[in-house]
Amino acid sequence: AQKVTQAQTEISVVEKEDVTLDCVYETRDTTYYLFWYKQPPSGELVFLIRRNSFDEQNEISGRYSWNFQKSTSSFNFTITASQVVDSAVYFCALSRNSGYSTLTFGKGTMLLVSP
Amino acid sequence: DSGVTQTPKHLITATGQRVTLRCSPRSGDLSVYWYQQSLDQGLQFLIQYYNGEERAKGNILERFSAQQFPDLHSELNLSSLELGDSALYFCASSAQGQGQPQHFGDGTRLSIL
Repeated sequence: AQKVTQAQTEISVVEKEDVTLDCVYETRDTTYYLFWYKQPPSGELVFLIRRNSFDEQNEISGRYSWNFQKSTSSFNFTITASQVVDSAVYFCALSRNSGYSTLTFGKGTMLLVSP
Repeated sequence: DSGVTQTPKHLITATGQRVTLRCSPRSGDLSVYWYQQSLDQGLQFLIQYYNGEERAKGNILERFSAQQFPDLHSELNLSSLELGDSALYFCASSAQGQGQPQHFGDGTRLSIL
C-alpha cells in the first residue's frame, strides 16, 4: 500500500520568510511519481510539479524549489520569499509507475502567509 | 484554467435523494478520475475511467456509480444520500502515459441537509 505523510498541519509565516513543506512517502514500488498540488482558498486544485523516482535532481521554478531524496523517502517543497498569494493548502501526492495510475494524497499542509 | 469542467459548482439536497455530477475532461485526455474531499477523510480516490471503460476503483461506496460516455465526459451518480456524503467532489483528467499529471476541475460542493 502507498502512503503519503505531511506532518505539518498548518504553518504560519510572515511575508518574505522562506518556508519548507515536508512530505514523506511510503511505497513498495521501485519506480513511482511524486506530485505537489496547491489548493487556494477558492478551492480548486492546481498542479505544481511532477517528479519521477529516477530523477533525484532538485528543481527550481521561480520562488519554488523541490528537494527529492529517495534515501529518506522525502519530497520537500520550499517557497522562498513567501507572499500573501502563497496562502493555500498544499498537497503532496504519490502515484505508481503506470499509465493509469491514481493519486494517493497526503492530508495537506495549510500555509498562511500574513503581510 | 485547467481545462476540466465540472457542473454544477454547488448542489444542495436532502438525505435519501440522488444527484448526478458532471465532468468534461481536457481536450484530448482519455482518462477521467473522481475524487472526494472531506474534512475527516481528506482527498480520496473514488474511480477512474479510460476511454469509456472502468480502470480502477478506490473507496467508492456501492451507492455511488460512474460512467464515461463516448464523447469522454463523465458522470458520477450518488444515490440514497446521507449527511456524511457532504463533500467536495473533484474530477480530474490526464493524458495517456506513465506518470502524467492529473488536472483537476474546480469541484462540485455537495451539501446534504
